[in-house]
Amino acid sequence: DAKTTQPPSMDCAEGRAANLPCNHSTISGNEYVYWYRQIHSQGPQYIIHGLKNNETNEMASLIITEDRKSSTLILPHATLRDTAVYYCIVRVWGGGSNYKLTFGKGTLLTVNP
Amino acid sequence: EPEVTQTPSHQVTQMGQEVILRCVPISNHLYFYWYRQILGQKVEFLVSFYNNEISEKSEIFDDQFSVERPDGSNFTLKIRSTKLEDSAMYFCASRGSEGTEAFFGQGTRLTVV
Repeated sequence: DAKTTQPPSMDCAEGRAANLPCNHSTISGNEYVYWYRQIHSQGPQYIIHGLKNNETNEMASLIITEDRKSSTLILPHATLRDTAVYYCIVRVWGGGSNYKLTFGKGTLLTVNP
Repeated sequence: EPEVTQTPSHQVTQMGQEVILRCVPISNHLYFYWYRQILGQKVEFLVSFYNNEISEKSEIFDDQFSVERPDGSNFTLKIRSTKLEDSAMYFCASRGSEGTEAFFGQGTRLTVV
């Protein structure tokens, strides 16, 4: 799986958009970008994933650059409950029984009141 | 909403003792996983399990570890002779069919004294 680089920490004001960047310059054509988060030592939680088109769901939006070497996770209206470590993971879709997530250190997002 | 359930939430055991961590995956899921997170460190993959056998394991998952699906609902991780360095949060995860994402449990905090 391709390596990812994320800032160790970010702050965001409550109610504002949180934009979390991720660099994945060695991503290959069949690798997807996944985002998970972990709230205070709870189990990781899936947020969103994408290949090359921008994606949106009820939790967040994912913007992937045209060259696919970087992406941004957007939480449109951050709340205090969004304070968590956010992980950007690049891997091949599917994987069957060999599906495995490789977590890095992620970005600690702190949402301030 | 279906969820992965882990018990106990916290287990304290003496070094050298056997411990069994229990997980009830989401009903009808086919793929099962164990991850661990030592305090302050990354979430690490331990093992994946499919069709009643281990499909992949990490180098952490040595002979002291074993997994079992004793019935149709439980998925267990056994550590045969615990060491101090086994102290960590252990997360169980399950996944449905190909292309779906993994759901994680809330974890079991294992403390070896």
